[in-house]
Amino acid sequence: AQSVTQLDSQVPVFEEAPVELRCNYSSSVSVYLFWYVQYPNQGLQLLLKYLSGSTLVESINGFEAEFNKSQTSFHLRKPSVHISDTAEYFCAVSLSGGSYIPTFGRGTSLIVHP
Amino acid sequence: DSGVTQTPKHLITATGQRVTLRCSPRSGDLSVYWYQQSLDQGLQFLIQYYNGEERAKGNILERFSAQQFPDLHSELNLSSLELGDSALYFCASSVEIQGNSPLHFGNGTRLTVT
Repeated sequence: AQSVTQLDSQVPVFEEAPVELRCNYSSSVSVYLFWYVQYPNQGLQLLLKYLSGSTLVESINGFEAEFNKSQTSFHLRKPSVHISDTAEYFCAVSLSGGSYIPTFGRGTSLIVHP
Repeated sequence: DSGVTQTPKHLITATGQRVTLRCSPRSGDLSVYWYQQSLDQGLQFLIQYYNGEERAKGNILERFSAQQFPDLHSELNLSSLELGDSALYFCASSVEIQGNSPLHFGNGTRLTVT
């Protein structure tokens, strides 16, 4: 079975600073990887996904994540954060064969200070 | 707006009672997933339906049951409620059931058992 580890439960950062939210997964087969964002009192929204091809994927609001197969990681980065990026971020993995049900990490709370 | 509708938004009930949570998937999505989100357990997969049939089961208690109706809406029934059932319950939908199909989440139902 696959599993996901988000190494930081909380990441405080100042506005306009860079940020990295870490995600590691374990799986014996090929995977699909996702980052979701949850704003207060809302459901999760897809931020970006890696299915195949280029290992660097980007979102429309400046986030990017890089799939590193050797490190089994899919870290999320943003070069300059905004107050509005304050939210809970979830990394998720599903298998390309077998169980397709996504497994989610415990989440990382990104807190952007002015 | 994800297009997934969950009702009610909030539910407060007593131990031993039974409640029903309702979900309407995004238009065109055939698959519905139920997740439980709590502070100590994170986001836990409960059960999944595809076009009216149960397709996968996760950590769902025997006191809980679900179904998907011909119009594709789904209901999650929770009975003999305990204090520990207090959580945020999310419904999500997807077009397909392959692992590369991202999920679209509703805003959740917050259940408080007193």
